[in-house]
Order: sequence, then C-alpha cells, then structure tokens
Amino acid sequence: SYVLAQPPSVSVAPGQTATITCGGNNIGRNSVHWYQQRPGQAPLLVMYNDRDRPSGIPERFSGSNSGNTATLTISRVEAGDEAEYYCQVWDSGSDLVVFGGGTKLTVL
Amino acid sequence: IQLVQSGAEVKKPGSSVKVSCKASGGTFSTYIVTWLRQAPGQGPEWMGRITPALGAASSRSAKQLQDRVTITADKLTATVYFELRNLRSEDTALYYCARFDSGRFATDAFDIWGHGTMVTVSS
Repeated sequence: SYVLAQPPSVSVAPGQTATITCGGNNIGRNSVHWYQQRPGQAPLLVMYNDRDRPSGIPERFSGSNSGNTATLTISRVEAGDEAEYYCQVWDSGSDLVVFGGGTKLTVL
Repeated sequence: IQLVQSGAEVKKPGSSVKVSCKASGGTFSTYIVTWLRQAPGQGPEWMGRITPALGAASSRSAKQLQDRVTITADKLTATVYFELRNLRSEDTALYYCARFDSGRFATDAFDIWGHGTMVTVSS
C-alpha cells in the first residue's frame, strides 16, 4: 500500500518559517491535503489540492507538491500554530485514503 | 452544517457498535460522508464512505475491514450510520465522520468533521 513519510517533529522559534514535508513515491502526481490537529480536537483542513487554502486559514500557510515530496510551509509561525500536522492523499492504486504519520510542530 | 455524532460506547470483544452522524443546520445534499478513526497517539485511518443521496449502494469500506463494516444513510433524518462488528481490542479508537465535497476537492479531502465518538473495546 502507499506510504506517506513525515518527520516526527519540527521545532521553530516564533516568527520563523516552519517547513513540514511529506514523502511518497511520485506524490507529485497526487493531490495532497494537509490537516492541523490540536490536542483534544478533530483535525482541521488547512490546505487542499496541494496549494489551496480553505477560507479562514491564514495566508501564512502555503503548500507545494512535486516529484516525491509535498511540503506545507508556515511563515511567521505563532504559538497558536503548535499542533500535529498530517498529510493525506487518495491512492488510486489501492483506492484508499492514506494519511502520513504526522509531524508535531513545536513553537519554541 | 455541523456533524453531530452519538455518544461514547464501551463494548465487549466480539460484540458490535453502531455510531451515528447527523447533519445539523442543513442536509448532506450531494456530499460524501466518510468515516475515519484515530487510535490513541496515532494518525487518522480511513474506514469507508457513503453518498447519502445515492443510498447504501454507494457505500465503500476499507478492504481490511470490509467484512466487519456496514455504512448506511437515512435521508429523511439526514443521519449516516457506521456499524463495526466482531469488535477487537485494537478497534479501540475515536471514530469520526467527516464531509467530502467532491465538487470542490480533486480527491477525497475532509472539510467538516464531527466531534468524534470514543469506542472502547474491553472485556
């Protein structure tokens, strides 16, 4: 089955840029979606179709996807961005929705 | 709309659980309702989906769970149901319903989530 690899953790200082990667075989051919999950809350869609932001998501959040890596970038990181972030695709080969293992973003 | 799920359940191994997800403040329209679960400390896992407007024939479930899962919808009450049979301890998780707007997203993406239903399987 299709596997999405994320770094377990990323740490950044407030005001800096956080880069969270999601690796998968030819992931650039898939549409990638990203979710933010704070403790005790349901996941929140923060990026869809690689680079589109749902309404209400700050412009500080951006996405890209090419080759074997998709990336979620958070500029000017704030304390409120601290959360777990998951990437997700639909794998046509297995007709299955697949999530990455998650990346814990820590704001120092 | 909001998705309102039924309350927490505690079940014995080998029994079944049925979780509901009701659209509040609207209807499911032509949206697809998906079920996912999240075990403690793990990422979400896709379980299956249904298009309520099309009924039971549109339901699909993950291959590894196909023989234990039934997803149904009641259009009149705007409620979707998820049933898992022959429960095992590893089925202990938070179960979510979520909306997939196929007209907006290129592939399955979930923009509205229920609050989650905790299902605990324990003897």
